Amino acid sequence: GQQVMQIPQYQHVQEGEDFTTYCNSSTTLSNIQWYKQRPGGHPVFLIQLVKSGEVKKQKRLTFQFGEAKKNSSLHITATQTTDVGTYFCAGHQGAQKLVFGQGTRLTINP
Amino acid sequence: DAGITQSPRHKVTETGTPVTLRCHQTENHRYMYWYRQDPGHGLRLIHYSYGVKDTDKGEVSDGYSVSRSKTEDFLLTLESATSSQTSVYFCAISETLSEQYFGPGTRLTVT
Repeated sequence: GQQVMQIPQYQHVQEGEDFTTYCNSSTTLSNIQWYKQRPGGHPVFLIQLVKSGEVKKQKRLTFQFGEAKKNSSLHITATQTTDVGTYFCAGHQGAQKLVFGQGTRLTINP
Repeated sequence: DAGITQSPRHKVTETGTPVTLRCHQTENHRYMYWYRQDPGHGLRLIHYSYGVKDTDKGEVSDGYSVSRSKTEDFLLTLESATSSQTSVYFCAISETLSEQYFGPGTRLTVT
């Protein structure tokens, strides 16, 4: 079945540094979604990318969808302590099922 | 946050006992999902529902069953709990097959 791999598994940065997590699928994705989970919380939807090569920005967060629609990335510029959490990518397997990556846990030294 | 509640929020049970987790939504969304979350595995789909009495298996469905008799309720049953089913269970809902909204989670410990 479809696999979605996410790297790195952990990332520790100094506040103010940039952060990037990468997502790779074994198959072409119809779309890619990104979620954030704060420590002790539940996943919260951030964004969905649909088009090949699509780039979307949310303030300091930049999301990219690869040209082949098999990879994606999330980049955070100038991290803040509020960015702490685990970031998940997810791609659709068939119309109704999402397959999640393992997540990248971001910790920040203030 | 979307109107999703899960009950119980925490449960400790013994190996071999049946356990039922409940997900309740007030959003009238069509799709409902049960995931488990374990360190190093992200979120893995157990079962999902695409309508009342319409359900299908996910990638880790062995040992679990589900029922959806009303739009607002989706029940997950562990028929005979095992220690490998110790996990955090999340329910999610979706209307459009785009974003999913997650409940607060249930932490289950099987001793």
